[in-house]
Amino acid sequence: GAGVSQSPRYKVTKRGQDVALRCDPISGHVSLYWYRQALGQGPEFLTYFNYEAQQDKSGLPNDRFSAERPEGSISTLTIQRTEQRDSAMYRCASSLGPGGYEQYFGPGTRLTVT
Amino acid sequence: AQKITQTQPGMFVQEKEAVTLDCTYDTSDPSYGLFWYKQPSSGEMIFLIYQGSYDQQNATEGRYSLNFQKARKSANLVISASQLGDSAMYFCAMREGAGTASKLTFGTGTRLQVTL
Repeated sequence: GAGVSQSPRYKVTKRGQDVALRCDPISGHVSLYWYRQALGQGPEFLTYFNYEAQQDKSGLPNDRFSAERPEGSISTLTIQRTEQRDSAMYRCASSLGPGGYEQYFGPGTRLTVT
Repeated sequence: AQKITQTQPGMFVQEKEAVTLDCTYDTSDPSYGLFWYKQPSSGEMIFLIYQGSYDQQNATEGRYSLNFQKARKSANLVISASQLGDSAMYFCAMREGAGTASKLTFGTGTRLQVTL
């Protein structure tokens, strides 16, 4: 079956612009996660959802970052007024449920802020 | 303190040999899970193996096994019979807590290079 998909795969934007990154999880997966990965580092947690409820947003760096999953399936991570330090790979993952289930990652969106 | 520590930035192994990638973790929660992911140069993140803190036996998945030593807080990944396709970055990760706790904390990774 289809894996986690993310769009766009690459996004170049100018400083100050807003961007929206989309994640389409594996069908039937309850939990959806957003991570950010800097070059040469491991992914860093941003936020996660069970169904449409945002369970934990402790990893969002500041209030320019927000995420939603209104119908419990597709999720959007929005970054307002982008800054150069926001440049990174943004990864989405999904799992059958919370707890011990493995998380399956999407290909990521490479965001470059110029 | 780092929650996940991977002390080997890079490792070399000859094809068909076994290799151990180190991972130590730090948590005071009695319930946790440990994961290993592979990231080839293509950039995808591939789940390899999972070990729960209450699991009595070490996890195995094909050529991958997890050497879980709870008292030492280590969860090393062992790859047997290395193949050229195993060349990649490997990340150890931990989930703390039970129930709905779900976020993964990753280490900095180990880059494995398999040589002929």
